[in-house]
Amino acid sequence: EVQLVESGGGLVQSGGSLRLSCAASGFTFDNYWMAWVRQAPGKGLEWVANIKQDGSQKNYVDSVKGRFTISRDNTKNSLYLQMNSLGADDTAVYYCARGFNHCYDIWGQGTMVTVSS
Amino acid sequence: EIVLTQSPGTLSLSPGERATLSCRASQSVSSTYLAWYQQKAGQVPRLLIYGASSRATGIPDRFSGSGSGTDFTLTISRLEPEDFAVYYCQQNGGSFGGGTKVEIK
Repeated sequence: EVQLVESGGGLVQSGGSLRLSCAASGFTFDNYWMAWVRQAPGKGLEWVANIKQDGSQKNYVDSVKGRFTISRDNTKNSLYLQMNSLGADDTAVYYCARGFNHCYDIWGQGTMVTVSS
Repeated sequence: EIVLTQSPGTLSLSPGERATLSCRASQSVSSTYLAWYQQKAGQVPRLLIYGASSRATGIPDRFSGSGSGTDFTLTISRLEPEDFAVYYCQQNGGSFGGGTKVEIK
């Protein structure tokens, strides 16, 4: 079964850091772009970042540039999101998603990140 | 950065009716790069349409996508009870539109 499972979310103070992980299974991980997408409570979807199969290309939404870093370890079939200097606006469910034809066809269940002031 | 604007914000319809959802881009988007998703309350987004008009695996044919340039449309030919949800468009694996909620009238 194709599956993505996120972990690492939780409660963190404003200005703090958190590292999210996404474990992939059921498909050849290093054949796919991967991405993080977030959704603030009661709000719409926001693309955060994506990364090429070999990690050579990374893209970020402007609001997280310089604070978040996307990475992957193809030997562990895992995707990561290092989040620094967190603020209240970063409070959201963070989804890991698999790239497919310039969109995302498989999504994890998400992990909640809450930034408290 | 390309901004996607979806309209209407909310669509109130009855089961069996036709739903027409719009997604307008701030600049031209290749049809190859336009996708639509469905998200039901408390659930994970599901890919419906990619490449502006290709249905994803397992998506019923009552869902169809069309458009080019800056104007794209998602049509649900006859609404089923399970179709009442929020729908998002997305361009090139990046920015999403703000969503259209399809609710029961």
